[in-house]
Amino acid sequence: DVKVTQSSRYLVKRTGEKVFLECVQDMDHENMFWYRQDPGLGLRLIYFSYDVKMKEKGDIPEGYSVSREKKERFSLILESASTNQTSMYLCASSYGQGGLYEQFFGPGTRLTVL
Amino acid sequence: GEDVEQSPFLSVREGDSSVINCTYTDSSSTYLYWYKQEPGAGLQLLTYIFSNMDMKQDQRLTVLLNKKDKHLSLRIADTQTGDSAIYFCAAKDDNDYKLSFGAGTTVTVRA
Repeated sequence: DVKVTQSSRYLVKRTGEKVFLECVQDMDHENMFWYRQDPGLGLRLIYFSYDVKMKEKGDIPEGYSVSREKKERFSLILESASTNQTSMYLCASSYGQGGLYEQFFGPGTRLTVL
Repeated sequence: GEDVEQSPFLSVREGDSSVINCTYTDSSSTYLYWYKQEPGAGLQLLTYIFSNMDMKQDQRLTVLLNKKDKHLSLRIADTQTGDSAIYFCAAKDDNDYKLSFGAGTTVTVRA
């Protein structure tokens, strides 16, 4: 079974703190993704990576950065957390580019910024 | 980018059929997916359809695709309480890494 794990299920941080969200997948997938999920807005792509050390901006990259030093691990960084970054963060991974490649999702991290 | 739209809510009686609708804008979308998110969990792929198909059936699930109108639907027969979840429609073209997701339809099954 593909497993995508996220470091925390719930996280509470203060405004201005630096926040790291970690994601690990165990299926040797090339692609990894970070989304945020907000009611009424669905899933919005923050960043994705198609290879180690490679990254591409998604639809809402402002206020976020990412790091992919190893194939299995993709980190999302909030340099200076703000209250409007309170959200559910979902990590996903997939294999390949073209074709029908399922994205496998982690359980999510619910981040609250006070 | 691609716009994918869904109605936000659906309430259905246990045992009835549910129909969840989705529209998308990019005619080059080659793969269309339905994902399910149960409370407190990530998304799981429920089913998918290729753009050259009109229909796909998988046990209680039927996916219909009207490519001309860019309309996708998911029918769940004999809806059960375990079907209560958020259902996301997603689209992808053949050369892309990314999926474009709709905002999700929250399905509530009432007894």
